[in-house]
Amino acid sequence: GAVVSQHPSRVICKSGTSVKIECRSLDFQATTMFWYRQFPKKSLMLMATSNEGSKATYEQGVEKDKFLINHASLTLSTLTVTSAHPEDSSFYICSASSAYEQYFGPGTRLTVT
Amino acid sequence: EDQVTQSPEALRLQEGESSSLNCSYTVSGLRGLFWYRQDPGKGPEFLFTLYSAGEEKEKERLKATLTKKESFLHITAPKPEDSATYLCARGIREKLTFGTGTRLTIIP
Repeated sequence: GAVVSQHPSRVICKSGTSVKIECRSLDFQATTMFWYRQFPKKSLMLMATSNEGSKATYEQGVEKDKFLINHASLTLSTLTVTSAHPEDSSFYICSASSAYEQYFGPGTRLTVT
Repeated sequence: EDQVTQSPEALRLQEGESSSLNCSYTVSGLRGLFWYRQDPGKGPEFLFTLYSAGEEKEKERLKATLTKKESFLHITAPKPEDSATYLCARGIREKLTFGTGTRLTIIP
């Protein structure tokens, strides 16, 4: 149980375009989902917390107009990187919260050329 | 704000050589201590949650323990497939603060 999926697993896009990443909790309903960013050999940096049906809460320093988060249902959250630039290239990981723990998706490798 | 520190940063062991990873934190109180395993290019895989000092949990060759200010992840007789980065995190389920991880390499 407690499986979280992400799609796509890898994406390459050109600078200036937008990219959408989906995060789904497959076997449980998650009222709260989280989006993290991870740089090579670094730990996870929380970007935002999203609650179903309400606006996401962004961490300090994260541009909410660049990283649009939608949490339309109890099993789906999306992260859209708008007008992507090479510095947005990173590993993006979502997680979904069950009653006691967070379960993570497999991550999405974004490369902006 | 809680700060989480893991040591060592990297650890290389021979297969079968037991050792421990450390996770220390600055804020006491009712928060969970979480251990995750992360393989390269993958998301973290949940291992354990600990809440109370003195609590222990085991899974195969791994045992996690908790004191008031730190947690240990003991690895007994590790195998090459235990090679991964082990992350600890503190918090309640809504918000976790992660350490930087310990990269564990088990040499056959």
